[in-house]
Amino acid sequence: DAGVTQSPTHLIKTRGQHVTLRCSPISGHKSVSWYQQVLGQGPQFIFQYYEKEERGRGNFPDRFSARQFPNYSSELNVNALLLGDSALYLCASSLRDTYYEQYFGPGTRLTVT
Amino acid sequence: GIQVEQSPPDLILQEGANSTLRCNFSDSVNNLQWFHQNPWGQLINLFYIPSGTKQNGRLSATTVATERYSLLYISSSQTTDSGVYFCAVARDDMRFGAGTRLTVKP
Repeated sequence: DAGVTQSPTHLIKTRGQHVTLRCSPISGHKSVSWYQQVLGQGPQFIFQYYEKEERGRGNFPDRFSARQFPNYSSELNVNALLLGDSALYLCASSLRDTYYEQYFGPGTRLTVT
Repeated sequence: GIQVEQSPPDLILQEGANSTLRCNFSDSVNNLQWFHQNPWGQLINLFYIPSGTKQNGRLSATTVATERYSLLYISSSQTTDSGVYFCAVARDDMRFGAGTRLTVKP
């Protein structure tokens, strides 16, 4: 079975631009979570979606938004990019909500110049 | 929110040595996972262990939920074990520790 997939792998954007990152969960998984990992730190929780509803939100500004589609794939959108948004963005999927055992994708490395 | 502390922050071992990594958390949690992050950034599941003890080959983990800590044991370490090990706990959200960077020298 395929694991969690994310696209694109790498992305370079300019300050002020908008970006959309995509995630496909493991088949049968209904929950998707998004994390931001800045170099040298542990991942930080951004959002969790379960059955297309937002179930959790971390301490990130409103420039960050997400949604989950009927096929359980998900998008993370970031508006008005700042240099500090440069990071590895990780998506994780799990069978259930409440942060049950999570499986991570390879990540999207975003560079903002 | 819940605080997660991992120790030691850095660990250097010779191949074949054993090690113990610790994760302390500040409040009761529903779930706990250990991950290994490889040099390419991929987080690899090691254990889902909200309580009790599990073993998988040379790795084992123990979580004592009532005392708010978890331990990851690596025996007979290999160079491929190098990388960063993260503990993550979940209650209202998912919180990661800062990680333990393990370097195994040949």
